[in-house]
Amino acid sequence: AQSVSQHNHHVILSEAASLELGCNYSYGGTVNLFWYVQYPGQHLQLLLKYFSGDPLVKGIKGFEAEFIKSKFSFNLRKPSVQWSDTAEYFCAVRWGSGNTGKLIFGQGTTLQVKP
Amino acid sequence: EPEVTQTPSHQVTQMGQEVILRCVPISNHLYFYWYRQILGQKVEFLVSFYNNEISEKSEIFDDQFSVERPDGSNFTLKIRSTKLEDSAMYFCASSTGGSPYEQYFGPGTRLTVT
Repeated sequence: AQSVSQHNHHVILSEAASLELGCNYSYGGTVNLFWYVQYPGQHLQLLLKYFSGDPLVKGIKGFEAEFIKSKFSFNLRKPSVQWSDTAEYFCAVRWGSGNTGKLIFGQGTTLQVKP
Repeated sequence: EPEVTQTPSHQVTQMGQEVILRCVPISNHLYFYWYRQILGQKVEFLVSFYNNEISEKSEIFDDQFSVERPDGSNFTLKIRSTKLEDSAMYFCASSTGGSPYEQYFGPGTRLTVT
């Protein structure tokens, strides 16, 4: 079955620390990969996405993610977090060659950045 | 910047009652989705809708659920007879179907069934 796993449920970091959030999906084939962020009281917003090409993807607010096909992974990274990065982060995967199908989400990671 | 809107932000209803959750997708979008998130659990896909018909639905989306695009702007999710386990945050999303292929999410409606 299609599934997405996020390894860290709750992460607490100090400002300027580096961040890496893990995301793995259940099996291969053609996938589109996404990281969404939800700041307190706000919409789910797209941080970055991977469709094809360079497996290292850069997104907004200094975030990046690396697609490693052999590991079925799409980990999110940021070299230096800020207090304003406190939010919930969701990895999502769309299987198949179409671009309009459903997203399968991981369980989310709550990031708390201490000032 | 255009955004997806949802009303109400919070709905409280009694078990067995019908509820309608409303969404206004972004105006030039063609694909519409409902997801839900039960407290403490994953965001789960419910249904997708294109060209006035359901294109895909999950196992959760049983006969108690229906979707409709009653006019050119609204997209609704109806739950005919709510159960306690329907309590969740319901998110609407929309996409153009073309580049940039992302789904834009609304702020959600928190449904509480008592």
